[in-house]
Amino acid sequence: GEDVEQSLFLSVREGDSSVINCTYTDSSSTYLYWYKQEPGAGLQLLTYIFSNMDMKQDQRLTVLLNKKDKHLSLRIADTQTGDSAIYFCAEMKTGANNLFFGTGTRLTVIP
Amino acid sequence: ETGVTQTPRHLVMGMTNKKSLKCEQHLGHNAMYWYKQSAKKPLELMFVYNFKEQTENNSVPSRFSPECPNSSHLFLHLHTLQPEDSALYLCASSQVGGAGGPYNEQFFGPGTRLTVL
Repeated sequence: GEDVEQSLFLSVREGDSSVINCTYTDSSSTYLYWYKQEPGAGLQLLTYIFSNMDMKQDQRLTVLLNKKDKHLSLRIADTQTGDSAIYFCAEMKTGANNLFFGTGTRLTVIP
Repeated sequence: ETGVTQTPRHLVMGMTNKKSLKCEQHLGHNAMYWYKQSAKKPLELMFVYNFKEQTENNSVPSRFSPECPNSSHLFLHLHTLQPEDSALYLCASSQVGGAGGPYNEQFFGPGTRLTVL
């Protein structure tokens, strides 16, 4: 299977919370990232979490890391139409500077 | 110009053409990357350059040829491509080590949308 796996699509209503999930395979990954890609643009780093953390919160964003299950999630509270984009999960493995990305999850926010 | 720029933004080429994609970073970074983005597939790392030296070549066909003349510029030379090479090609840069911090944030350009007929 792929190193990093994500669902391809997610739809939510404006004002609801969005939860985007990701699984990865390398238990020695040092950092895990969430990138956002808006239409016609490159990827932009949203947030990241170090592997010794379980949770990180940044305004409307909450990242949860379950190392035992190798599961990463991104929760967006009070989702807005401007949050519609593709969200990529990525891992940086121990001893490497390269990032390994998933397929991206296309989030559609319905007004 | 700021950040990472890529030209052209769109490219249509025949299978017998030769073309080049250009990437320029204005961030003073020491590493640059080429990625291929195809629908429903993971973002695929193609090439990595650290300090102008190629450190990764992830089994990319020889019809893709990278060039990094200095730490600010990266090219991807294309020749005799196939229709399945149609994709969005993204360039990124980062500061590896030193002041770049431990988390190696990569900064992406907007991409070149390539269509091979």
